[in-house]
Amino acid sequence: GAVVSQHPSWVICKSGTSVKIECRSLDFQATTMFWYRQFPKQSLMLMATSNEGSKATYEQGVEKDKFLINHASLTLSTLTVTSAHPEDSSFYICSAPGPRREQYFGPGTRLTVT
Amino acid sequence: GNSVTQMEGPVTLSEEAFLTINCTYTATGYPSLFWYVQYPGEGLQLLLKATKADDKGSNKGFEATYRKETTSFHLEKGSVQVSDSAVYFCALSESGYNKLIFGAGTRLAVHP
Repeated sequence: GAVVSQHPSWVICKSGTSVKIECRSLDFQATTMFWYRQFPKQSLMLMATSNEGSKATYEQGVEKDKFLINHASLTLSTLTVTSAHPEDSSFYICSAPGPRREQYFGPGTRLTVT
Repeated sequence: GNSVTQMEGPVTLSEEAFLTINCTYTATGYPSLFWYVQYPGEGLQLLLKATKADDKGSNKGFEATYRKETTSFHLEKGSVQVSDSAVYFCALSESGYNKLIFGAGTRLAVHP
């Protein structure tokens, strides 16, 4: 079946530093990928749509200069949290539309900013 | 705006018990509705879906019926197993299967 991976699964960084999260479609190509954020015991909130070869589309209220998205190939999208602060600590999940017109989700990346 | 509300968990059941997880939605148009399941350490997986009113989605013994009149899409299973322990998310999309809007998730724990 279609698989989406994320790396790393867990990252701790210091306040003020940047951290990059990778999302890969392992056995299918994805011109579009989606990035979600999930706070504890809350819904997944769509942050942005990543488009291969063009700029990402951000949801209202999401700072595009804070959350940099690059979709450089048909199998890889990256989310960089710039100048991270403790309030950026969260669970970040990516997804990609794949076979059978379904969304395939990565296992998520837990970011802790100290 | 569009939104999804589902019952708070955790839901704790004994094996072979009947399961219902309530889900209601608010949408301006005619969305597609989904149930996703997340097993420990894994990504969300599509459990079932319904794309129009009165459709019934079903998979692995789980069922949900798209009720436009009550704006609901409740998840049911007649006899749960320990292996069903997971977090269940109700979701909607007004653009097919992209740009999903999720409920908060309901954790189900099934004990032998």
